[in-house]
Amino acid sequence: QVQLQESGPGLVKPSQTLSLTCTVSGGSISSGGYYWSWIRQHPGKGLEWIGYIYYSGSTYYNPSLKSRVTISVDTSKNQFSLKLSSVTAADTAVYYCARGPTYYDILTGPTGWFDPWGQGTLVTVSS
Amino acid sequence: SYVLTQPPSVSVAPGQTARITCGGNNIGSKSVHWYQQKPGQAPVLVVYDDSDRPSGIPERFSGSNSGNTATLTISRVEAGDEADYYCQVWDSSSVVFGGGTKLTVL
Repeated sequence: QVQLQESGPGLVKPSQTLSLTCTVSGGSISSGGYYWSWIRQHPGKGLEWIGYIYYSGSTYYNPSLKSRVTISVDTSKNQFSLKLSSVTAADTAVYYCARGPTYYDILTGPTGWFDPWGQGTLVTVSS
Repeated sequence: SYVLTQPPSVSVAPGQTARITCGGNNIGSKSVHWYQQKPGQAPVLVVYDDSDRPSGIPERFSGSNSGNTATLTISRVEAGDEADYYCQVWDSSSVVFGGGTKLTVL
């Protein structure tokens, strides 16, 4: 079964760029018609979707973060990555990678649920 | 932007039925997905497309969606069901999560 694992620095300085990688195992990132997403959770708060990527490189970002987010994919390594620029303390959160959206709807575009999720990684923004 | 409203908390005794609601404007026209998150763990999908269950999720978990309210129902609640539950939909090509409901098993 597919498993996801996040990796990257746990501490980032303000104004710098947060960089995380998600490694997919148990299946190919290029198969099944799936998209791949990043989702974060501020401490003690709810879930916030950051954006998704398709293996072809097609992306879509949360409009509220779009100016600072870049998601990329490396199919040869079965990985996809997140870069979030100009971080502040407000970007301190647990960052999850997940498989999803699940499918493409001809009327609405990518849609569906997120499953499975990585275990998450806490990133703290502090000097 | 589209807003999903969940009650902050729901309490239920073991063996009883818990109902967690997710309110949104005409949410019945959307597909709703539900996640369970236990402390220190990643969310787990428990219901998708309003009422379908992923493999491995007990039949005690069920969902419905109509009008302005979607509902996750957990029958015969067990202590292990204590967790935060989130609903999720798509709106205007973006993902929307509800604020989450903490289920307490008394």
